[in-house]
Amino acid sequence: GQQVMQIPQYQHVQEGEDFTTYCNSSTTLSNIQWYKQRPGGHPVFLIQLVKSGEVKKQKRLTFQFGEAKKNSSLHITATQTTDVGTYFCAGQDSGYSTLTFGKGTMLLVSP
Amino acid sequence: SQTIHQWPATLVQPVGSPLSLECTVEGTSNPNLYWYRQAAGRGLQLLFYSVGIGQISSEVPQNLSASRPQDRQFILSSKKLLLSDSGFYLCAWSPGQYNEQFFGPGTRLTVL
Repeated sequence: GQQVMQIPQYQHVQEGEDFTTYCNSSTTLSNIQWYKQRPGGHPVFLIQLVKSGEVKKQKRLTFQFGEAKKNSSLHITATQTTDVGTYFCAGQDSGYSTLTFGKGTMLLVSP
Repeated sequence: SQTIHQWPATLVQPVGSPLSLECTVEGTSNPNLYWYRQAAGRGLQLLFYSVGIGQISSEVPQNLSASRPQDRQFILSSKKLLLSDSGFYLCAWSPGQYNEQFFGPGTRLTVL
């Protein structure tokens, strides 16, 4: 079945440093989504990427979808303490009607 | 606007006891509904999904079951809980098959 791998599992940065999490799928995806889960909270949708090579920005967050539509990344510029949480990617291919979530990257930001 | 409700927020149950978790969505019709479990490893495991009333697809064999008695109501049940059923149970909805999912606040279940 479809597998989505996410690295790193955990990253601790100082406030102001950049952060990147990577997502790789075992199959070609029709779309990939990113979610953020704050400690003790529930996942919240951030963005969906559909096109090959697509790049989208949300303020300090930059999302990329690979040319082969099998990998994606989320980059945060100049992290802030409000960025703390676990970031999940979730991939969906045309053969499935459900999302496959990666295990997430837990981000800790020290002031 | 759409909202999703889950209850209870926390639950402590003995092994072998039954379970019923309820999820309701407001402000939309014919949503796709999902039940996930999140264990200590942080990953989200899809348990069940439904594209309509009475239509349930199971992703992982287990002692849990799901039902959708009404368009915007999704129920997760078990006849006899196991220790391994402990976790954070999340209900989610989406407007369609390829759309983003919106999660409820979740239920933290501890089976003792």
